[in-house]
Amino acid sequence: NAGVMQNPRHLVRRRGQEARLRCSPMKGHSHVYWYRQLPEEGLKFMVYLQKENIIDESGMPKERFSAEFPKEGPSILRIQQVVRGDSAAYFCASDSQGNTEAFFGQGTRLTVV
Amino acid sequence: SQQGEEDPQALSIQEGENATMNCSYKTSINNLQWYRQNSGRGLVHLILIRSNEREKHSGRLRVTLDTSKKSSSLLITASRAADTASYFCATGWYSWGKLQFGAGTQVVVTP
Repeated sequence: NAGVMQNPRHLVRRRGQEARLRCSPMKGHSHVYWYRQLPEEGLKFMVYLQKENIIDESGMPKERFSAEFPKEGPSILRIQQVVRGDSAAYFCASDSQGNTEAFFGQGTRLTVV
Repeated sequence: SQQGEEDPQALSIQEGENATMNCSYKTSINNLQWYRQNSGRGLVHLILIRSNEREKHSGRLRVTLDTSKKSSSLLITASRAADTASYFCATGWYSWGKLQFGAGTQVVVTP
């Protein structure tokens, strides 16, 4: 049973481009969470999704950021018109009803140049 | 602001010594979890303690939780060089996966 898979592991984008980060949850998990970690800081919650539903997006910036978790395929975190301040590690976690912990992926490190 | 605040920010010890770090939080919680992160890597889940539990052990790890003081501690006994990492506490309320993380304690264990 593969763990939470995130790709790419590293992503470099120029200012103004779009970044698409993918997360495949663990098999059997129906909940996905996205977090952002700035250098030397802890993780900050961004969004909680179930299949085809956004449950809690209280941590998402109001502009340029969106997330989806379609019925088929991975969850996508999309950042439009990236700026230098978007450079960070983005982590995805997944769990399912009844689990006692969420499992984290290895993260995608986004660098905006 | 962060829900969890770890103390100390950094800790340097020698192999064989114990490492203790503390976490304080502000609001009601359902559970508190500790994670380890090696430099530039993903998070490894260490231990989860529920709000109705006071102490939990896992191998060389011991976690305590005092909900009246809104604080938790993580003790690593007989530390090893491989324990060098950042350690984060994270609190949860209604969901196991929606967590509020502290800024972490950087632990360096020297041989």
